[in-house]
Amino acid sequence: DTAVSQTPKYLVTQMGNDKSIKCEQNLGHDTMYWYKQDSKKFLKIMFSYNNKELIINETVPNRFSPKSPDKAHLNLHINSLELGDSAVYFCASSHGTGTYEQYFGPGTRLTVT
Amino acid sequence: GNSVTQMEGPVTLSEEAFLTINCTYTATGYPSLFWYVQYPGEGLQLLLKATKADDKGSNKGFEATYRKETTSFHLEKGSVQVSDSAVYFCASRLKAAGNKLTFGGGTRVLVKP
Repeated sequence: DTAVSQTPKYLVTQMGNDKSIKCEQNLGHDTMYWYKQDSKKFLKIMFSYNNKELIINETVPNRFSPKSPDKAHLNLHINSLELGDSAVYFCASSHGTGTYEQYFGPGTRLTVT
Repeated sequence: GNSVTQMEGPVTLSEEAFLTINCTYTATGYPSLFWYVQYPGEGLQLLLKATKADDKGSNKGFEATYRKETTSFHLEKGSVQVSDSAVYFCASRLKAAGNKLTFGGGTRVLVKP
């Protein structure tokens, strides 16, 4: 009965590869987010989707392409992976784009070698 | 712009000690303020929040008061337990900035028995 789930939990890959991270929420929320947490624990928003439409894009390289097939899913595809992409990626969801609590997934630790 | 600054860790305490984590914000307006907690290997969980000046958020023995005059939202707990060991994030959210969460750098707290 996990509220926000992500797969995989760990992902180790080589530079130049393309990989995807999946996120699903069963809370009935209509807004989903991707955050990146670097090695120093600094956390920053990357994207936000509301009802499958992109509403926040925080100057993320276009190698990162989010896709929302429906309101319950927000996947993150990364092309041509670089060493600097190594981080923990968190998915979150909320009920609307206003002042609603965001619920976070457990994170996906991506290591690029 | 909107930014959050919190004290760097790690903060190491003995059980039953008093904990304070400082957090200050800058914003062109009056943001809502939050404290999130990240336990080892898990995603972020909302700990408490305050939406206007002089509001006090509280949960699990933690408290923080929204101080407009000092633009601060310091987190306090009177008697910490080993289970409070985690990384704590202060965050702000401003409607004029699209309601996206802006996080501080996180403070790692280690409570020793």
